Amino acid sequence: DQQVKQNSPSLSVQEGRISILNCDYTNSMFDYFLWYKKYPAEGPTFLISISSIKDKNEDGRFTVFLNKSAKHLSLHIVPSQPGDSAVYFCAASAGGSQGNLIFGKGTKLSVKP
Amino acid sequence: ETGVTQTPRHLVMGMTNKKSLKCEQHLGHNAMYWYKQSAKKPLELMFVYNFKEQTENNSVPSRFSPECPNSSHLFLHLHTLQPEDSALYLCASSQVTGTHGYTFGSGTRLTVV
Repeated sequence: DQQVKQNSPSLSVQEGRISILNCDYTNSMFDYFLWYKKYPAEGPTFLISISSIKDKNEDGRFTVFLNKSAKHLSLHIVPSQPGDSAVYFCAASAGGSQGNLIFGKGTKLSVKP
Repeated sequence: ETGVTQTPRHLVMGMTNKKSLKCEQHLGHNAMYWYKQSAKKPLELMFVYNFKEQTENNSVPSRFSPECPNSSHLFLHLHTLQPEDSALYLCASSQVTGTHGYTFGSGTRLTVV
């Protein structure tokens, strides 16, 4: 059973608009969440993280929101740029930043000029 | 340059072959991981090493054998694999006390014929 779910395999957005990527989790022990970005033929790269003691973390154009009661997090990219086109993985850990990461299947984002 | 180097980038092997995947990190990290990424599946954690000691084996078949001679190097020895083992194998490293998740290598694309 998947503990981290990204139900949208793909998302297409116009350049300059907002991209919203969603992630749901089932394990209430998860207390640390991360987003990774992956280009073809490369490994995933860390994008942004959030601890369960927060409900929002912002870094430039990227903001992650956490709704613990709904076991849901989302990544907002504003404004979206063509270079943001990649696969985005949501990951969660039950041991804070030191725990092993459980990943979702990923969502492929396409930002069109 | 991600700081985590994996070789080879591509590998084609027969089911009776023995081969090894290599991972090297120069980030001073003290934890290393093997992940498997199959098509349309989440990244699956295979093995975890903390300070050269294996701390997790995620029910991986014995035809996959990890080796961590020091905190900078990690190997995955392969023997008598099956075609369904064809996947992208990703190595990652992290600082156990870090807050930015893992640094991934570019992966080895393995095809078993």
